[in-house]
Amino acid sequence: EVQLVESGGGLVQPGGSLRLSCAVSGFTVSNNYMSWVRQAPGKGLEWVSVIYTGGSTHYADSVKGRFTISRDNSQNTLFLQMNSLRAEDTAVYYCARGYSGSDRNSDPFDYWGQGTLVTVSS
Amino acid sequence: DIQMTQSPSSLSASVGDRVTITCRASQGIRDNLGWYQQKPGKAPKRLIYAASSLQTGVPSKFSGSGSGTEFTLTISSLQPEDFATYYCLQHNSYPWTFGQGTKVEIK
Repeated sequence: EVQLVESGGGLVQPGGSLRLSCAVSGFTVSNNYMSWVRQAPGKGLEWVSVIYTGGSTHYADSVKGRFTISRDNSQNTLFLQMNSLRAEDTAVYYCARGYSGSDRNSDPFDYWGQGTLVTVSS
Repeated sequence: DIQMTQSPSSLSASVGDRVTITCRASQGIRDNLGWYQQKPGKAPKRLIYAASSLQTGVPSKFSGSGSGTEFTLTISSLQPEDFATYYCLQHNSYPWTFGQGTKVEIK
Protein backbone atom coordinates (compact mmCIF):
# COMPACT_ATOMS: atom_id res chain seq x y z
CA GLU A 1 0.00 0.00 0.00
CA VAL A 2 1.29 3.46 -0.91
CA GLN A 3 1.54 5.95 1.95
CA LEU A 4 2.99 9.44 2.15
CA VAL A 5 3.14 10.89 5.65
CA GLU A 6 4.18 14.50 6.17
CA SER A 7 5.54 15.82 9.45
CA GLY A 8 7.49 18.76 10.80
CA GLY A 9 4.86 21.46 10.61
CA GLY A 10 4.12 23.82 13.45
CA LEU A 11 4.24 27.40 14.62
CA VAL A 12 7.32 29.43 13.71
CA GLN A 13 8.14 33.12 13.94
CA PRO A 14 8.66 35.27 10.85
CA GLY A 15 12.24 34.90 9.67
CA GLY A 16 12.53 31.45 11.19
CA SER A 17 13.18 28.05 9.64
CA LEU A 18 11.42 24.72 9.51
CA ARG A 19 12.12 21.41 7.82
CA LEU A 20 9.23 19.31 6.58
CA SER A 21 9.51 15.58 6.01
CA CYS A 22 7.47 13.22 3.85
CA ALA A 23 8.03 9.58 4.76
CA VAL A 24 7.08 7.27 1.94
CA SER A 25 6.17 3.60 1.88
CA GLY A 26 4.99 1.49 -1.03
CA PHE A 27 7.34 2.96 -3.64
CA THR A 28 10.89 4.27 -3.91
CA VAL A 29 11.20 8.06 -3.69
CA SER A 30 14.36 8.21 -5.78
CA ASN A 31 12.71 6.32 -8.66
CA ASN A 32 9.95 8.91 -9.03
CA TYR A 33 9.69 12.66 -9.15
CA MET A 34 8.28 14.30 -6.03
CA SER A 35 6.73 17.66 -5.30
CA TRP A 36 5.49 19.89 -2.53
CA VAL A 37 2.15 21.65 -2.96
CA ARG A 38 0.72 24.06 -0.40
CA GLN A 39 -2.67 25.51 0.44
CA ALA A 40 -3.11 28.63 2.52
CA PRO A 41 -6.14 28.57 4.86
CA GLY A 42 -9.33 28.89 2.82
CA LYS A 43 -7.37 29.34 -0.42
CA GLY A 44 -6.47 27.32 -3.49
CA LEU A 45 -3.58 25.02 -4.27
CA GLU A 46 -0.11 26.36 -5.05
CA TRP A 47 2.71 24.24 -6.47
CA VAL A 48 5.94 24.84 -4.54
CA SER A 49 8.76 22.63 -5.78
CA VAL A 50 9.75 19.43 -7.60
CA ILE A 51 12.75 17.10 -7.49
CA TYR A 52 13.44 14.65 -10.29
CA THR A 53 15.06 11.25 -10.23
CA GLY A 54 18.36 12.72 -11.41
CA GLY A 55 18.27 15.33 -8.65
CA SER A 56 17.30 18.38 -10.68
CA THR A 57 14.92 20.77 -8.93
CA HIS A 58 12.53 23.61 -9.72
CA TYR A 59 10.76 26.10 -7.48
CA ALA A 60 7.88 28.55 -7.49
CA ASP A 61 9.08 32.15 -7.70
CA SER A 62 7.52 32.84 -4.30
CA VAL A 63 9.90 30.42 -2.53
CA LYS A 64 12.99 30.47 -4.75
CA GLY A 65 16.13 31.12 -2.74
CA ARG A 66 14.36 30.41 0.57
CA PHE A 67 13.14 26.81 0.25
CA THR A 68 15.16 23.72 -0.68
CA ILE A 69 13.72 20.37 -1.71
CA SER A 70 15.78 17.26 -1.13
CA ARG A 71 15.47 13.55 -0.43
CA ASP A 72 17.21 10.88 1.59
CA ASN A 73 17.25 7.66 -0.37
CA SER A 74 18.23 5.55 2.63
CA GLN A 75 15.21 6.80 4.57
CA ASN A 76 12.93 6.90 1.50
CA THR A 77 11.95 10.38 2.61
CA LEU A 78 11.39 13.72 0.92
CA PHE A 79 12.24 16.99 2.66
CA LEU A 80 11.48 20.68 2.33
CA GLN A 81 13.85 23.03 4.11
CA MET A 82 12.10 26.36 4.60
CA ASN A 83 14.16 29.41 5.61
CA SER A 84 13.33 33.09 6.02
CA LEU A 85 9.70 32.21 6.58
CA ARG A 86 7.01 34.84 6.03
CA ALA A 87 3.40 35.12 7.13
CA GLU A 88 2.33 34.33 3.57
CA ASP A 89 4.01 30.91 3.82
CA THR A 90 1.32 29.85 6.29
CA ALA A 91 -0.36 26.86 4.70
CA VAL A 92 -0.96 23.14 4.72
CA TYR A 93 1.95 21.55 2.89
CA TYR A 94 1.33 18.37 0.90
CA CYS A 95 3.91 16.08 -0.64
CA ALA A 96 2.87 14.39 -3.86
CA ARG A 97 4.28 11.83 -6.28
CA GLY A 98 4.79 12.00 -10.00
CA TYR A 99 5.26 8.50 -11.37
CA SER A 100 8.40 8.29 -13.48
CA GLY A 101 7.14 6.05 -16.23
CA SER A 102 7.15 6.18 -20.00
CA ASP A 103 3.44 6.77 -20.46
CA ARG A 104 1.20 9.72 -19.65
CA ASN A 105 0.35 8.17 -16.31
CA SER A 106 3.61 9.89 -15.38
CA ASP A 107 1.82 13.24 -15.33
CA PRO A 108 1.61 14.81 -11.85
CA PHE A 109 0.32 13.72 -9.21
CA ASP A 110 -1.12 10.30 -8.54
CA TYR A 111 -0.45 10.01 -4.79
CA TRP A 112 -0.67 12.65 -2.08
CA GLY A 113 0.03 12.83 1.64
CA GLN A 114 -2.47 14.14 4.16
CA GLY A 115 -0.61 17.41 4.69
CA THR A 116 1.13 19.21 7.55
CA LEU A 117 0.23 22.70 8.74
CA VAL A 118 2.84 25.43 8.91
CA THR A 119 1.89 28.63 10.70
CA VAL A 120 4.21 31.64 10.50
CA SER A 121 3.27 34.17 13.16
CA SER A 122 4.76 36.16 15.99
CA ASP B 1 4.36 32.37 -15.88
CA ILE B 2 1.31 30.62 -17.32
CA GLN B 3 -1.94 31.79 -15.74
CA MET B 4 -4.77 29.28 -15.43
CA THR B 5 -8.20 30.88 -15.31
CA GLN B 6 -10.94 28.59 -14.07
CA SER B 7 -14.63 29.31 -14.48
CA PRO B 8 -16.94 29.48 -12.79
CA SER B 9 -15.36 30.00 -9.37
CA SER B 10 -18.43 28.38 -7.83
CA LEU B 11 -21.66 26.82 -8.96
CA SER B 12 -24.82 25.39 -7.44
CA ALA B 13 -26.23 22.27 -9.01
CA SER B 14 -28.70 19.52 -8.26
CA VAL B 15 -28.15 15.80 -8.06
CA GLY B 16 -28.34 14.42 -11.58
CA ASP B 17 -27.24 17.65 -13.27
CA ARG B 18 -24.54 17.76 -15.92
CA VAL B 19 -21.75 20.11 -14.83
CA THR B 20 -18.98 21.65 -16.92
CA ILE B 21 -15.94 23.48 -15.55
CA THR B 22 -13.51 25.35 -17.81
CA CYS B 23 -9.82 26.16 -17.50
CA ARG B 24 -8.14 28.61 -19.86
CA ALA B 25 -4.37 28.88 -20.10
CA SER B 26 -2.70 32.21 -20.84
CA GLN B 27 -0.57 30.43 -23.45
CA GLY B 28 -0.63 27.07 -25.14
CA ILE B 29 0.13 24.08 -22.93
CA ARG B 30 -0.65 21.24 -25.40
CA ASP B 31 -2.37 18.57 -23.29
CA ASN B 32 -0.22 19.00 -20.19
CA LEU B 33 -3.14 19.47 -17.85
CA GLY B 34 -4.73 17.51 -15.04
CA TRP B 35 -7.91 17.85 -13.01
CA TYR B 36 -8.14 17.29 -9.27
CA GLN B 37 -11.00 16.97 -6.80
CA GLN B 38 -10.60 18.14 -3.22
CA LYS B 39 -13.02 17.65 -0.35
CA PRO B 40 -12.78 19.71 2.85
CA GLY B 41 -9.88 18.70 5.06
CA LYS B 42 -8.62 16.16 2.56
CA ALA B 43 -5.78 15.95 0.07
CA PRO B 44 -6.55 16.49 -3.60
CA LYS B 45 -7.31 13.46 -5.74
CA ARG B 46 -6.40 13.22 -9.42
CA LEU B 47 -9.37 12.63 -11.73
CA ILE B 48 -7.96 13.31 -15.20
CA TYR B 49 -4.43 13.47 -16.62
CA ALA B 50 -3.15 14.40 -20.06
CA ALA B 51 -6.28 16.55 -20.41
CA SER B 52 -8.59 13.65 -21.21
CA SER B 53 -7.30 10.41 -19.68
CA LEU B 54 -9.35 9.05 -16.79
CA GLN B 55 -7.40 8.13 -13.68
CA THR B 56 -7.71 4.44 -12.80
CA GLY B 57 -10.56 3.90 -10.36
CA VAL B 58 -12.31 7.19 -11.12
CA PRO B 59 -15.93 6.80 -12.31
CA SER B 60 -16.57 7.34 -16.01
CA LYS B 61 -19.05 10.14 -15.22
CA PHE B 62 -15.94 12.33 -15.12
CA SER B 63 -14.44 13.33 -18.46
CA GLY B 64 -11.93 15.85 -19.68
CA SER B 65 -11.32 17.47 -23.02
CA GLY B 66 -9.31 20.19 -24.67
CA SER B 67 -5.85 21.05 -25.87
CA GLY B 68 -3.79 24.18 -26.27
CA THR B 69 -5.45 26.87 -24.17
CA GLU B 70 -8.98 25.70 -23.40
CA PHE B 71 -9.94 22.69 -21.31
CA THR B 72 -13.11 21.34 -19.75
CA LEU B 73 -14.00 18.94 -17.00
CA THR B 74 -17.49 17.47 -17.24
CA ILE B 75 -19.43 15.53 -14.65
CA SER B 76 -22.22 13.81 -16.55
CA SER B 77 -24.62 13.23 -13.65
CA LEU B 78 -23.77 14.91 -10.37
CA GLN B 79 -24.00 12.73 -7.29
CA PRO B 80 -23.85 13.72 -3.60
CA GLU B 81 -20.25 12.53 -3.32
CA ASP B 82 -19.20 14.90 -6.13
CA PHE B 83 -19.80 18.07 -4.15
CA ALA B 84 -16.24 19.35 -3.73
CA THR B 85 -13.75 21.85 -5.13
CA TYR B 86 -12.12 21.10 -8.46
CA TYR B 87 -8.75 22.38 -9.67
CA CYS B 88 -6.86 22.23 -12.94
CA LEU B 89 -3.05 22.08 -13.00
CA GLN B 90 -0.78 22.89 -15.93
CA HIS B 91 2.62 21.22 -15.97
CA ASN B 92 3.76 22.34 -19.42
CA SER B 93 6.30 24.82 -18.08
CA TYR B 94 7.66 26.04 -14.78
CA PRO B 95 6.33 27.23 -12.50
CA TRP B 96 3.50 24.72 -12.61
CA THR B 97 0.26 26.52 -11.87
CA PHE B 98 -3.18 25.59 -10.59
CA GLY B 99 -6.44 27.22 -11.49
CA GLN B 100 -8.08 29.08 -8.61
CA GLY B 101 -10.63 26.32 -8.08
CA THR B 102 -14.33 25.73 -8.70
CA LYS B 103 -16.49 24.95 -5.71
CA VAL B 104 -19.46 22.75 -6.62
CA GLU B 105 -22.28 23.13 -4.10
CA ILE B 106 -25.70 21.60 -3.65
CA LYS B 107 -28.64 23.60 -4.96
